[in-house]
Amino acid sequence: DAKTTQPPSMDCAEGRAANLPCNHSTISGNEYVYWYRQIHSQGPQYIIHGLKNNETNEMASLIITEDRKSSTLTLPHATLRDTAVYYCIVIGTASKLTFGTGTRLQVTL
Amino acid sequence: DVKVTQSSRYLVKRTGEKVFLECVQDMDHENMFWYRQDPGLGLRLIYFSYDVKMKEKGDIPEGYSVSREKKERFSLILESASTNQTSMYLCASSRGDRDSVGYTFGSGTRLTVV
Repeated sequence: DAKTTQPPSMDCAEGRAANLPCNHSTISGNEYVYWYRQIHSQGPQYIIHGLKNNETNEMASLIITEDRKSSTLTLPHATLRDTAVYYCIVIGTASKLTFGTGTRLQVTL
Repeated sequence: DVKVTQSSRYLVKRTGEKVFLECVQDMDHENMFWYRQDPGLGLRLIYFSYDVKMKEKGDIPEGYSVSREKKERFSLILESASTNQTSMYLCASSRGDRDSVGYTFGSGTRLTVV
């Protein structure tokens, strides 16, 4: 499975958009990009996933570059409850999630 | 509301005890997984199962075994608990295809071995 690289931490003001980048330069054609988040002391929570096209749901938007080597997760209007560790994961043929260290997003007033 | 339920939120066991961590999912998912999470190390995959009575080693299987006798239940077994197995244990399940809404995780079991 392809490796991912994320910044260790980011800050965002409440109400503003939070844009979390992820690099997955070794991704192969049949691998999906998944995003999860983990709020303190809870299990990880699925956010969104995509293969090639941009995706949007009630939680977030996912933009995958045309060459698929990177992606950006956007939380359009961050709130304090969005403070969490965000994981970008590429899933290969084995269909098992391998977590990196993620990005710790701190939303502030 | 679909769920992955882990039998205990907190557990304290003695060194050398045999420990069972139970996980049940109600979504008829084929795949089930056990992870442990430690500060600075993130989530690491211990074992997983793609079907009943099937199991495969993850990245850190040493000191653990698993059992999947029924589709909905996946048990993690510590044959002889040791202090270095003190950790947060997370169970997850998913459908068999990748183009799904992803994995669903339980709330975790915080195990302390004394």
